[in-house]
Amino acid sequence: DQQVKQNSPSLSVQEGRISILNCDYTNSMFDYFLWYKKYPAEGPTFLISISSIKDKNEDGRFTVFLNKSAKHLSLHIVPSQPGDSAVYFCAASAGSSNTGKLIFGQGTTLQVKP
Amino acid sequence: DSGVTQTPKHLITATGQRVTLRCSPRSGDLSVYWYQQSLDQGLQFLIQYYNGEERAKGNILERFSAQQFPDLHSELNLSSLELGDSALYFCASSVNSQETQYFGPGTRLLVL
Repeated sequence: DQQVKQNSPSLSVQEGRISILNCDYTNSMFDYFLWYKKYPAEGPTFLISISSIKDKNEDGRFTVFLNKSAKHLSLHIVPSQPGDSAVYFCAASAGSSNTGKLIFGQGTTLQVKP
Repeated sequence: DSGVTQTPKHLITATGQRVTLRCSPRSGDLSVYWYQQSLDQGLQFLIQYYNGEERAKGNILERFSAQQFPDLHSELNLSSLELGDSALYFCASSVNSQETQYFGPGTRLLVL
């Protein structure tokens, strides 16, 4: 039972263009969503988050959009840079559970070509 | 550098053995989480401790156990190891359950 899904295993974009990474979830109890970036041989690094009371959150080149009715979120990176090449994980949690347990997607490998 | 430290970085052992993975959370963080990432898998939640007490359990095998000590560092004990336990084990910490989790660099376990 995969509650958080990233259906695209990989994505390749040109430097300077927009990268859009997608994530779907099934559990309507999820109310907090996060994106992490992971380089090989390192731990996941927190990028950006969004609460279910919002539909957009922006931080520099990174914007996360949340569509609750579709149970879908996306991460936009504009402009994409070669240093953004990494594996991106979306994760979700249910605040009502009073735990910080995160449910992760399988990850999307982003390659930004110079 | 997230401020979360994990030791050892790499561990090679044999089936049937027992190992202990150690995690030191960021200064001020009371909550510690353990996750497992197997080959081609996403991160799977194992267990959470908050200020020394178990707060949540995920798909953690009975052969695995964890604890959080008074100084807030945590240890994950894996026993009767099997080949399938080979994975990356990540520790994360946060101030409390509602705050962002910051991950350590992981321990890569190889069971031969």
